Amino acid sequence: EAQVTQNPRYLITVTGKKLTVTCSQNMNHEYMSWYRQDPGLGLRQIYYSMNVEVTDKGDVPEGYKVSRKEKRNFPLILESPSPNQTSLYFCASSAIPRTGELFFGEGSRLTVL
Amino acid sequence: GDSVTQMEGPVTLSEEAFLTINCTYTATGYPSLFWYVQYPGEGLQLLLKATKADDKGSNKGFEATYRKETTSFHLEKGSVQVSDSAVYFCALRAHSGGGADGLTFGKGTHLIIQP
Repeated sequence: EAQVTQNPRYLITVTGKKLTVTCSQNMNHEYMSWYRQDPGLGLRQIYYSMNVEVTDKGDVPEGYKVSRKEKRNFPLILESPSPNQTSLYFCASSAIPRTGELFFGEGSRLTVL
Repeated sequence: GDSVTQMEGPVTLSEEAFLTINCTYTATGYPSLFWYVQYPGEGLQLLLKATKADDKGSNKGFEATYRKETTSFHLEKGSVQVSDSAVYFCALRAHSGGGADGLTFGKGTHLIIQP
């Protein structure tokens, strides 16, 4: 089954404790991206990657890092989480850059205390 | 930059009512347009899309027509069901130009269908 898998689905952590949210897709998509969803703000892009070893900032990259060492994986790293990073995070992938639809994971709800 | 504006809701309708959720956009060039749906506790799923002017996307009884002259992509359904209750997002993806690549979303419209 074609899917985008994120882990963990739910996480409660404390300020400053590094964490990684993993994302994996099995569709051989070149493009992958991370979004955060906040009430009243909709979805905003954090980082994206057009291919292996190629990553770029989205609209709200501050406080986040990403890496793309393999085509299927695109982890999101919070080096020193803060409460304003409490949010619902979505990973997405696409076969066709710039025109194709995005396939989304089920989301990871992060709470930073 | 690119932007999408949609009614935020919540929009509350009775079962079998006609639905319209308005969406207008601002973008350079000729973007692809999408409607995504998010059911409670789930990720976003593509509902329908259109890639050029006058295209009509349709799926599960929902329709939307890409109107370049009014920069709109309104979502419609003739007879809604309780199972259509969800949050609906209008989005665009630019075909070219600089800047970040990805979907630009509206803020979402929460639809509630009452039996």
